[in-house]
Amino acid sequence: QQQVKQSPQSLIVQKGGIPIINCAYENTAFDYFPWYQQFPGKGPALLIAIRPDVSEKKEGRFTISFNKSAKQFSLHIMDSQPGDSATYFCAASSGQGAQKLVFGQGTRLTINP
Amino acid sequence: DAMVIQNPRYQVTQFGKPVTLSCSQTLNHNVMYWYQQKSSQAPKLLFHYYDKDFNNEADTPDNFQSRRPNTSFCFLDIRSPGLGDAAMYLCAIANDQADGYTFGSGTRLTVV
Repeated sequence: QQQVKQSPQSLIVQKGGIPIINCAYENTAFDYFPWYQQFPGKGPALLIAIRPDVSEKKEGRFTISFNKSAKQFSLHIMDSQPGDSATYFCAASSGQGAQKLVFGQGTRLTINP
Repeated sequence: DAMVIQNPRYQVTQFGKPVTLSCSQTLNHNVMYWYQQKSSQAPKLLFHYYDKDFNNEADTPDNFQSRRPNTSFCFLDIRSPGLGDAAMYLCAIANDQADGYTFGSGTRLTVV
């Protein structure tokens, strides 16, 4: 119930392509869904996040699509660049206050020049 | 400027020798977390402080302890590090008014 399942585990895309990373959850109490970007040797950095009251959110080249009935959400990266090569984690939490984020297993994304 | 500062960035310790990792924050957020991240894995929550209240995860080994002497600082103590404790240790902060965490850059712990 507390798991967030992320796929694929790794992804290689040519520059300019649109990588898509998918996550699925079971706990219907989850109401906050962030994506984190992590470069080697660094801590994760918040990239974009969504709440269930909207089905899509865009910030620059990054878009979250959210399907509440399917309990799935995905990250799309438009016009991908080699600098986007990193590990991406989806996560979920519920309620307010001291959130406890449950992370997906991560996707190692490589953007080839 | 970094809002969550972890020291040291790299720590090498001997098997069984106690080690302390530190985390400080400049945002005065009331919640501080410690995560363990092993290679190619998701971060795993060890424990967190909500203000002064300590909250341990059920599967966190007793070998791991934490202290939060004030709002700005939090420490992770590993009493007797084993080879399996080699990992990146991440500190994160949050507050009640905003969503999401801010992570530090982590401390890479090596046990020899």
